[in-house]
Amino acid sequence: AQKVTQAQTEISVVEKEDVTLDCVYETRDTTYYLFWYKQPPSGELVFLIRRNSFDEQNEISGRYSWNFQKSTSSFNFTITASQVVDSAVYFCALSEEDSWGKLQFGAGTQVVVTP
Amino acid sequence: NAGVTQTPKFQVLKTGQSMTLQCAQDMNHNSMYWYRQDPGMGLRLIYYSASEGTTDKGEVPNGYNVSRLNKREFSLRLESAAPSQTSVYFCASSEAGRGNQPQHFGDGTRLSIL
Repeated sequence: AQKVTQAQTEISVVEKEDVTLDCVYETRDTTYYLFWYKQPPSGELVFLIRRNSFDEQNEISGRYSWNFQKSTSSFNFTITASQVVDSAVYFCALSEEDSWGKLQFGAGTQVVVTP
Repeated sequence: NAGVTQTPKFQVLKTGQSMTLQCAQDMNHNSMYWYRQDPGMGLRLIYYSASEGTTDKGEVPNGYNVSRLNKREFSLRLESAAPSQTSVYFCASSEAGRGNQPQHFGDGTRLSIL
């Protein structure tokens, strides 16, 4: 059975600090997909990134970066120079190749950025 | 471009009442999903529909039924609401049934059962 663990319940930072969110996953499949979603206080879920299990290249998108390491089953997410607008709950999720897109979500990490 | 539309946005029910949550997507997606979100537990899959005409159980299906009315619409029904079903419900859709497609979510339905 697949499983996603986000051990950090809440992280509080001051604006401009960097923040790293941890995500550890379990799956028996060799082909799988990892996602990060953002849920701002308004409540909607916003897709941020998808990573394939066969592509371990790290990715940077503006102030966001992702570090995927199959050896440790981790897919961590870093926000550089955080801003108040980054305050949200961030979810890591896993989907297996033949799972019809079913997502297994972690419990989420609340990020609070104060001015 | 509306994306995924859920109705209603808020609802209060009494224990034992029934209701149907509606979901429609305008992205011509094949797969649709219903999740519930409870504090500290992330989102959990209730039911999904890999394609029009098919539905299947997710992680927490008890107490719910679904109907894939057509390619656009996927409804979730609570036949006899219980306080344990107080939650925020999200509908989502994705382009295909394979696991590599990101899901697009509606804004959620906040449901309280007294």
